[in-house]
Amino acid sequence: KQEVTQIPAALSVPEGENLVLNCSFTDSAIYNLQWFRQDPGKGLTSLLLIQSSQREQTSGRLNASLDKSSGRSTLYIAASQPGDSATYLCAARERAQKLVFGQGTRLTINP
Amino acid sequence: EAGVAQSPRYKIIEKRQSVAFWCNPISGHATLYWYQQILGQGPKLLIQFQNNGVVDDSQLPKDRFSAERLKGVDSTLKIQPAKLEDSAVYLCASSLVARDRRRGDSPLHFGNGTRLTVT
Repeated sequence: KQEVTQIPAALSVPEGENLVLNCSFTDSAIYNLQWFRQDPGKGLTSLLLIQSSQREQTSGRLNASLDKSSGRSTLYIAASQPGDSATYLCAARERAQKLVFGQGTRLTINP
Repeated sequence: EAGVAQSPRYKIIEKRQSVAFWCNPISGHATLYWYQQILGQGPKLLIQFQNNGVVDDSQLPKDRFSAERLKGVDSTLKIQPAKLEDSAVYLCASSLVARDRRRGDSPLHFGNGTRLTVT
């Protein structure tokens, strides 16, 4: 059974810092790994999707990497801003398009 | 394009009552998902449809939860009777079906969810 873990559960950093969020999964037989952002009271917004054949994806100040052999993915946020404050979730896609989520990292960027 | 629509946004009911949630996915998205998100946790898949057929309902508490997707478009999720532990946000998501595996899967698009409080 696939298990996805995100550590830490919460992170607080000053504005302008670069930061890394971690995601680990137990079964490397995944189709892809997806990162989401969730604002309070809102649904999830897809940030980046890394196919199993890829090593990384970039969008603006965000860069996500995938290492299937070690069961890890990281989300790198460059030059953090207060607007980046949210909960970030990773999810591993298994067979039949099933998505297994981590519990999320709650990120606070302090002005 | 219009996003995934869900209603109601909030619902408060007493235990043992019944409740229903509605979801309208993005036009053309064949796959529809219902997730349950308990406070402080990641979403947990309850049921997945492709068109109007069920792909996965292994984590759906079938003694009290039911879902349907008539005509392969809108979907409803029902809880009857509700328990205190059903208090959560119920998220609906939709996605395209990847017809060419070389192109990979498409991302999920989520609605804003329905926050259910059972008292």
